[in-house]
Amino acid sequence: AQSVTQLGSHVSVSEGALVLLRCNYSSSVPPYLFWYVQYPNQGLQLLLKYTTGATLVKGINGFEAEFKKSETSFHLTKPSAHMSDAAEYFCAVSGMDTGRRALTFGSGTRLQVQP
Amino acid sequence: GAVVSQHPSWVICKSGTSVKIECRSLDFQATTMFWYRQFPKQSLMLMATSNEGSKATYEQGVEKDKFLINHASLTLSTLTVTSAHPEDSSFYICSARDSGASGNTIYFGEGSWLTVV
Repeated sequence: AQSVTQLGSHVSVSEGALVLLRCNYSSSVPPYLFWYVQYPNQGLQLLLKYTTGATLVKGINGFEAEFKKSETSFHLTKPSAHMSDAAEYFCAVSGMDTGRRALTFGSGTRLQVQP
Repeated sequence: GAVVSQHPSWVICKSGTSVKIECRSLDFQATTMFWYRQFPKQSLMLMATSNEGSKATYEQGVEKDKFLINHASLTLSTLTVTSAHPEDSSFYICSARDSGASGNTIYFGEGSWLTVV
């Protein structure tokens, strides 16, 4: 069984400030971890993913996330927020096993960027 | 990068009618596709897993006779909402797993807004 918890349904930062979106997961098998961004009325766009190897993953638009197994976390960060980063962000987990490969999503975090 | 296309993006239908949503993987083969439903300001809930050439696997609580899924080829899965009712109005999103890519990458379609009037 897998689950994802995103702490904070809304996060507001000032333009240029650090962005930190929190994600904790639970998985009975080694996880694949994903961050997706969703703009209003649109589908999901993959920001980055962790599968194996390097635990610090760099994605598009300056985002990165670090897989910390001991903390079961995969927090998303960006050093300097831009107005265009305002969107809904979803953390998701998928098992590495050969069974189900559907994603289990967190409840989402809405990022607001203040000028 | 890999692209998954959904059609239509928006559809309005009358209660009691059926509507079909298509999900296509444009530049890769997808043995497995997934259908999700998203209510406003909520997360995505998996409805069913669509496997090419076999029956779909539905999540608990999802009516398989109401949400018909067909995955006839490696690049196309369809979701048909039968006898639609206003409570079926939602944002439906498909995703496809790129079998040829490493890392179990899953790509999402743009989503389809269904409004039942």
